[in-house]
Amino acid sequence: ETGVTQTPRHLVMGMTNKKSLKCEQHLGHNAMYWYKQSAKKPLELMFVYNFKEQTENNSVPSRFSPECPNSSHLFLHLHTLQPEDSALYLCASSQDLARQETQYFGPGTRLLVL
Amino acid sequence: GENVEQHPSTLSVQEGDSAVIKCTYSDSASNYFPWYKQELGKGPQLIIDIRSNVGEKKDQRIAVTLNKTAKHFSLHITETQPEDSAVYFCAASDQTGANNLFFGTGTRLTVIP
Repeated sequence: ETGVTQTPRHLVMGMTNKKSLKCEQHLGHNAMYWYKQSAKKPLELMFVYNFKEQTENNSVPSRFSPECPNSSHLFLHLHTLQPEDSALYLCASSQDLARQETQYFGPGTRLLVL
Repeated sequence: GENVEQHPSTLSVQEGDSAVIKCTYSDSASNYFPWYKQELGKGPQLIIDIRSNVGEKKDQRIAVTLNKTAKHFSLHITETQPEDSAVYFCAASDQTGANNLFFGTGTRLTVIP
């Protein structure tokens, strides 16, 4: 176990639904990340938070809305998604944003948008 | 930004044989290169990393080599075992952003018993 948990593990939603993904890290880290993993594509960094402050938004559409209430929890709020948003969404954490800090990943949420 | 290419996309080897996965990168300023292993239903897990001040690093059956001049690095797994079957990702750090990693597209390794 990496110490990073994600819920739910699987999610099916319609294009008009609103849902949220949750990530929790038990490692005492200060930085948290959201990645999108699609088949045959590199992992795409979506958002980065450091000490609860967003430091990176990698040109992600506004239908994805992150929230970081504290250094241990990270949410990704989803609304009016498109079928092409179907993917594995991975959360990761690291001690901080210093370069070369190891990132620890959760198991991901497999999202299917119908 | 950084661009990382990874080959091959799939690799099958007999148990006990060696496996080699290669990656190239574009940003000569990158200096941190981790390798991740992703098993079915799990997130990527760091297995080894290398920094640009060394050319090779070993950890039991796993080794990574780095050629900064040619901008490529490789993962070597010796004496492969069925439990080595997984998808492997290479990554390179982006010097423009704090701790930003750019990943390759992954190699699905199958070790045949």
